[in-house]
Amino acid sequence: GAGVSQSPSNKVTEKGKDVELRCDPISGHTALYWYRQRLGQGLEFLIYFQGNSAPDKSGLPSDRFSAERTGESVSTLTIQRTQQEDSAVYLCASSLTRDSYSPLHFGNGTRLTVT
Amino acid sequence: AQTVTQSQPEMSVQEAETVTLSCTYDTSESDYYLFWYKQPPSRQMILVIRQEAYKQQNATENRFSVNFQKAAKSFSLKISDSQLGDAAMYFCAYRSIQGAQKLVFGQGTRLTINP
Repeated sequence: GAGVSQSPSNKVTEKGKDVELRCDPISGHTALYWYRQRLGQGLEFLIYFQGNSAPDKSGLPSDRFSAERTGESVSTLTIQRTQQEDSAVYLCASSLTRDSYSPLHFGNGTRLTVT
Repeated sequence: AQTVTQSQPEMSVQEAETVTLSCTYDTSESDYYLFWYKQPPSRQMILVIRQEAYKQQNATENRFSVNFQKAAKSFSLKISDSQLGDAAMYFCAYRSIQGAQKLVFGQGTRLTINP
């Protein structure tokens, strides 16, 4: 596709359930980022993938959060045993290279609601 | 760690007028990049303008320009001839040239355009 695609667009889940969020980056983009945006807040960095290098997981808030990426393609963000404070929009972004001037292209996000 | 501060949670402007959004940041680095992103209700983050810290000349993109004051660590966004489509959340972001080059975002400013 022409842009970063995220699915599902919205997800409602019960507290304690696991959820999996998907991100399809722009083809050829080597860098991929996940961010979390709570209501009315800025974006919090979660995790970063660059090619085959070890991911930067420094932003993951707890061990209930994990993410995977196969090569330079799809990434999934998994949240286990969801809590109400996990409710937020999860945004994925990709960039052509790890060059700092290369802009991040964002998807429309997944809005997660934990009831 | 770098921090970005946007001190104006909300701003409003009359259509066709000019508005300036403020942003300050804290860093010990001498070289980095700064960005302004726009987030309309669709949730997608859209790059508005970017600035390289080593360039003294302020970046300009059509109706959007920045006032970059490196010594003061200030990076304000000026929108000229405001249009209804400019209404959105605006986020200032910092990106290091070191490490994972993740974007560090401010809390955002909600801009309303009054017709």
